[in-house]
Amino acid sequence: DSGVTQTPKHLITATGQRVTLRCSPRSGDLSVYWYQQSLDQGLQFLIQYYNGEERAKGNILERFSAQQFPDLHSELNLSSLELGDSALYFCASSASGGPSVQYFGPGTRLLVL
Amino acid sequence: DQQVKQNSPSLSVQEGRISILNCDYTNSMFDYFLWYKKYPAEGPTFLISISSIKDKNEDGRFTVFLNKSAKHLSLHIVPSQPGDSAVYFCAAPSNFGNEKLTFGTGTRLTIIP
Repeated sequence: DSGVTQTPKHLITATGQRVTLRCSPRSGDLSVYWYQQSLDQGLQFLIQYYNGEERAKGNILERFSAQQFPDLHSELNLSSLELGDSALYFCASSASGGPSVQYFGPGTRLLVL
Repeated sequence: DQQVKQNSPSLSVQEGRISILNCDYTNSMFDYFLWYKKYPAEGPTFLISISSIKDKNEDGRFTVFLNKSAKHLSLHIVPSQPGDSAVYFCAAPSNFGNEKLTFGTGTRLTIIP
């Protein structure tokens, strides 16, 4: 158990809909990262938050947004969903500052029908 | 441009023997590397890391070697056990600090009893 929790574990929805994925980092970790793993793309970085502020951005679509709350949990919002958004979405957290290990949650499997 | 490459998509090894997983990188700014292990439908689990100031790091059955001149790292697992069957990813954080991880495409390791 990495200490990172993600809900829900599975999500099935329809095209055009909006969903929210939730992540709670390990106790004490200030950084939260979101990654997407689709069948043909491997693990791709989406966005990072550090202590409530956006720190780094990857190839995140404009239809996607995220935020980190004062209690450090984070939410990833996916809107106007398309079939191609079906993927595993992972959250990771790390301690502050310097190169350190990112610990991953179990992921949310999103299926868009 | 894939900055972290794992050229072997799969590897089969007899139980008890050594497993060697390889990873090449192109970005000479990378100075810290991590190996993750991933089971199906689970999040990546951190295995071992290495800083560019070292050429070897060992943790139990796992040893990572770094050859900076060749921009190559390898993960050795000795002895290999059935529970080691998983997908292994090498990863590197971008630039300075601990921002996005760039992952290789993974190598599926199968340990044959």
